Amino acid sequence: NAGVMQNPRHLVRRRGQEARLRCSPMKGHSHVYWYRQLPEEGLKFMVYLQKENIIDESGMPKERFSAEFPKEGPSILRIQQVVRGDSAAYFCASSPPTTGSPYEQYFGPGTRLTVT
Amino acid sequence: GEDVEQSLFLSVREGDSSVINCTYTDSSSTYLYWYKQEPGAGLQLLTYIFSNMDMKQDQRLTVLLNKKDKHLSLRIADTQTGDSAIYFCAESLTGYSTLTFGKGTMLLVSP
Repeated sequence: NAGVMQNPRHLVRRRGQEARLRCSPMKGHSHVYWYRQLPEEGLKFMVYLQKENIIDESGMPKERFSAEFPKEGPSILRIQQVVRGDSAAYFCASSPPTTGSPYEQYFGPGTRLTVT
Repeated sequence: GEDVEQSLFLSVREGDSSVINCTYTDSSSTYLYWYKQEPGAGLQLLTYIFSNMDMKQDQRLTVLLNKKDKHLSLRIADTQTGDSAIYFCAESLTGYSTLTFGKGTMLLVSP
């Protein structure tokens, strides 16, 4: 059973460009979470999604950031018009549906975004 | 202030026990977790404990929870150089709510 997959692992963007980060949850998992880790900081929650639904986006900046988890395909975190302050590691986690063991979020390897 | 606080650094010798401490502020926290992050890697779930438990043991890992003081600790017995990593404490209100992380404790194990 493959773990949570994220791509790309490293992404370099110039200021003003768009960044698209992809996350494929573990097989059978229907909950996806995105976290951001700034240098020498802990992870900060951004958004929690289920298939075709945003459950909680309280940690997402109101502008330039959006997330989706379509019926088919990976979850996408999109950052428009990137700025240097967006440089960070972005981690995706997934967890099983309610009928399984709900307490364990499994993390992907992260996408390290560098804005030049 | 931060919801979850950890000391930033711990250095131990190989074979010794390591104890990493964490305090949290939200008394509604129901689940408490320990994650391990190796350089350049994602987070690996080590163990978790429900708030109605005092202790959980899993091989070399022992988690102690003092709910009254809102204090959580992770003890690693017989620490190995491969245990060198950053350890994050995290809390959640329910099994499906988001995680709130501390800033992490860097554990350095010397031979």
